[in-house]
Amino acid sequence: NAGVTQTPKFQVLKTGQSMTLQCAQDMNHEYMSWYRQDPGMGLRLIHYSVGAGITDQGEVPNGYNVSRSTTEDFPLRLLSAAPSQTSVYFCASSYSGKGYGYTFGSGTRLTVV
Amino acid sequence: GIQVEQSPPDLILQEGANSTLRCNFSDSVNNLQWFHQNPWGQLINLFYIPSGTKQNGRLSATTVATERYSLLYISSSQTTDSGVYFCAVVSGGSNYKLTFGKGTLLTVNP
Repeated sequence: NAGVTQTPKFQVLKTGQSMTLQCAQDMNHEYMSWYRQDPGMGLRLIHYSVGAGITDQGEVPNGYNVSRSTTEDFPLRLLSAAPSQTSVYFCASSYSGKGYGYTFGSGTRLTVV
Repeated sequence: GIQVEQSPPDLILQEGANSTLRCNFSDSVNNLQWFHQNPWGQLINLFYIPSGTKQNGRLSATTVATERYSLLYISSSQTTDSGVYFCAVVSGGSNYKLTFGKGTLLTVNP
């Protein structure tokens, strides 16, 4: 049981490049989400999904796209990377509903130069 | 949206000391969780505690939902307790959108 798996762990991009951060969970969780963590800011929600085919925006969605074609996978796409997107990105999953805790992946450290 | 404030922002302890971390939130919540982020960046769920009190070893948490705060107690601290402790809440109509506080950075010295 791997939990939530994020790849890659580290990435350096040039401004304007695109990339996809991968997130997969094997716990059959309906809810998945992406957060970014910046120094002194805590974690902020980017996008989330309550099930396959359903996504919605969080607090800081600009510059990011998501899709949810399967229950297991929830990739995060940066279409044209900017230095302001330098951050640590975390994927999380949970059973649907308010009564359950969240499991986080180990994070992706992204630097945009 | 809901505001989550954690205090203190930084805390330095000697091994063996006890500590209390506080989380205040500005609205009623459906879900409140405490997380520990270790020095390697991994986020570990400590407690799901929208109300009441829970204990897990040296750690315990209490949430007083009517007064909109939660407390995390760490007793007999160890160096492995070092890291950032986050409080996160879900409020309003959404059952899913966690809002995090900015965290408390705990350093436990040997």
